[in-house]
Amino acid sequence: GAVVSQHPSRVICKSGTSVKIECRSLDFQATTMFWYRQFPKQSLMLMATSNEGSKATYEQGVEKDKFLINHASLTLSTLTVTSAHPEDSSFYICSARDPSGGDEKLFFGSGTQLSVL
Amino acid sequence: DAKTTQPPSMDCAEGRAANLPCNHSTISGNEYVYWYRQIHSQGPQYIIHGLKNNETNEMASLIITEDRKSSTLILPHATLRDTAVYYCIVRGTNNNDMRFGAGTRLTVKP
Repeated sequence: GAVVSQHPSRVICKSGTSVKIECRSLDFQATTMFWYRQFPKQSLMLMATSNEGSKATYEQGVEKDKFLINHASLTLSTLTVTSAHPEDSSFYICSARDPSGGDEKLFFGSGTQLSVL
Repeated sequence: DAKTTQPPSMDCAEGRAANLPCNHSTISGNEYVYWYRQIHSQGPQYIIHGLKNNETNEMASLIITEDRKSSTLILPHATLRDTAVYYCIVRGTNNNDMRFGAGTRLTVKP
């Protein structure tokens, strides 16, 4: 199946710094990618939809100025957590659909565990 | 997308079949049923999906009732590595995104 690569897998940063997470579709082109956040023992929560060449669409309650999304190419979307604080500590996961696959299933990255000190 | 209801947890003996139920009574005609699972600290893994016919692949079988208001994911011979949270998701063909409910935490015991 299609592969979605996410990097880094784990990051620890100081409060107030910014952290960038990359999501790449390795063997297909993704016009749309999705970013999720997951707190311990909770389900995945959709944060935003990343659209290649245009602005991301954010879910209600997600601050677009804090979670900057850039989808500069058909294989790369980035999520930047700006001025991170301890409450931003979470597991961040991206996903994408392979449009050539002929169906609607999404492929997920392996996730990024962010810890803000 | 239609809302789904799953039991919060289930246990299964190793080597036995694991049957995970999902209710989606408000499903509409163009919505598919998807199953994903998430092993601790990893991204979700696709298992199977279907519209109205039963489906089988190398991982599992999906049984959808005739009225499509519920479905069951069957892992025929559960192993310890199948311990994970299993998510049942209903999604229409017009929707790009995928929204997760609480899922079922399956624990396979030796």
